[in-house]
Amino acid sequence: NAGVTQTPKFQVLKTGQSMTLQCAQDMNHEYMSWYRQDPGMGLRLIHYSVGAGITDQGEVPNGYNVSRSTTEDFPLRLLSAAPSQTSVYFCASSDRRDYGYTFGSGTRLTVV
Amino acid sequence: GNSVTQMEGPVTLSEEAFLTINCTYTATGYPSLFWYVQYPGEGLQLLLKATKADDKGSNKGFEATYRKETTSFHLEKGSVQVSDSAVYFCALSKNTGFQKLVFGTGTRLLVSP
Repeated sequence: NAGVTQTPKFQVLKTGQSMTLQCAQDMNHEYMSWYRQDPGMGLRLIHYSVGAGITDQGEVPNGYNVSRSTTEDFPLRLLSAAPSQTSVYFCASSDRRDYGYTFGSGTRLTVV
Repeated sequence: GNSVTQMEGPVTLSEEAFLTINCTYTATGYPSLFWYVQYPGEGLQLLLKATKADDKGSNKGFEATYRKETTSFHLEKGSVQVSDSAVYFCALSKNTGFQKLVFGTGTRLLVSP
């Protein structure tokens, strides 16, 4: 089925470890984004991309890196995990001709 | 800056009751407005949208009207079902360039039989 695929679904990290959250979409969407969801705060934008090779920071970018080498993939890297990064992470993509986003099913990350 | 304010939940209703979830926004210019729904353990799904003033978005029995004069986009449904139990997010984005979504904090709806 077409859509946004995120892996892994669950992850536990120790403080200081690094890891990459994977995101892939097969809809040829130009726009891709990473959000984090925390209780009582809704979703906040971490990083986004308007096309291959182009990325920019969102509202809460510190501690995260992204790259966009292909239209399909938009991985999110945690450089040195901290307990404050415990959250649920969502990847989303959009066709710029449409104003609705397609979200992945999320990655629940716990940093201990 | 742009922001979205939603009524706090949870909203608890009996099946077939009328639903209203309030949403107001602050934005420069003329944003697009959205309602997303998140079922337990899943990602967000676009429920409906409106891109200009007085537009009405509708889907699956849910409706919301873009009211520029009151800066509101309230979600309504005439008769809720148990399967509507979920978290509902109101969001906005600007209409030019990259559409950064600004979300409200979400409202949990619980529908009992």
